[in-house]
Amino acid sequence: QKEVEQNSGPLSVPEGAIASLNCTYSDRVSQSFFWYRQYSGKSPELIMSIYSNGDKEDGRFTAQLNKASQYVSLLIRDSQPSDSATYLCAVNVNSGGSNYKLTFGKGTLLTVNP
Amino acid sequence: NAGVTQTPKFQVLKTGQSMTLQCAQDMNHNSMYWYRQDPGMGLRLIYYSASEGTTDKGEVPNGYNVSRLNKREFSLRLESAAPSQTSVYFCASSEDFRDTEAFFGQGTRLTVV
Repeated sequence: QKEVEQNSGPLSVPEGAIASLNCTYSDRVSQSFFWYRQYSGKSPELIMSIYSNGDKEDGRFTAQLNKASQYVSLLIRDSQPSDSATYLCAVNVNSGGSNYKLTFGKGTLLTVNP
Repeated sequence: NAGVTQTPKFQVLKTGQSMTLQCAQDMNHNSMYWYRQDPGMGLRLIYYSASEGTTDKGEVPNGYNVSRLNKREFSLRLESAAPSQTSVYFCASSEDFRDTEAFFGQGTRLTVV
């Protein structure tokens, strides 16, 4: 099992809809979880971080974390065409002892259709 | 405030040539990373430096070496470039390696012919 897995998509939603992006991870001791957005030809930029079970909301974005199920998700409400990008899930995975490495999923390409 | 700066932005190498990718951050971050990104493969960790003076292998270290020159700078060296190393390379930094978000440079697009 890969350390961080995402639905590869692509995911297509109409403008104004809710886009739901999912991610699972294998390391039970992971404590830090991130969602990055990457536009084509650009570098990844952080949009959400979450550390505790439950929901965390920031504007139109909501991150959800369930450590028991080893699952993290990102909901985008009222999706806009400008949200069209690749969304990357990242997890700090233990690499032995007290060492951690920031590990990414392959990303989900989201297209929001006007 | 520049954040994370990578040089060069674009590079074409011939097979067997060597080169060093430079990365510098001005956020006083402790941890720095080198990733490569290939179509359909996501971001794969090459090497990382949890703190000044330490470096560790990531998922795909073969063919690469790194140097954490000081707290600000983390370089990636290709000793003998191969076509399989054609990729987009990203440098990133974070306050620490355990639980803080990473900030990325603008990337280096490398082609090996």
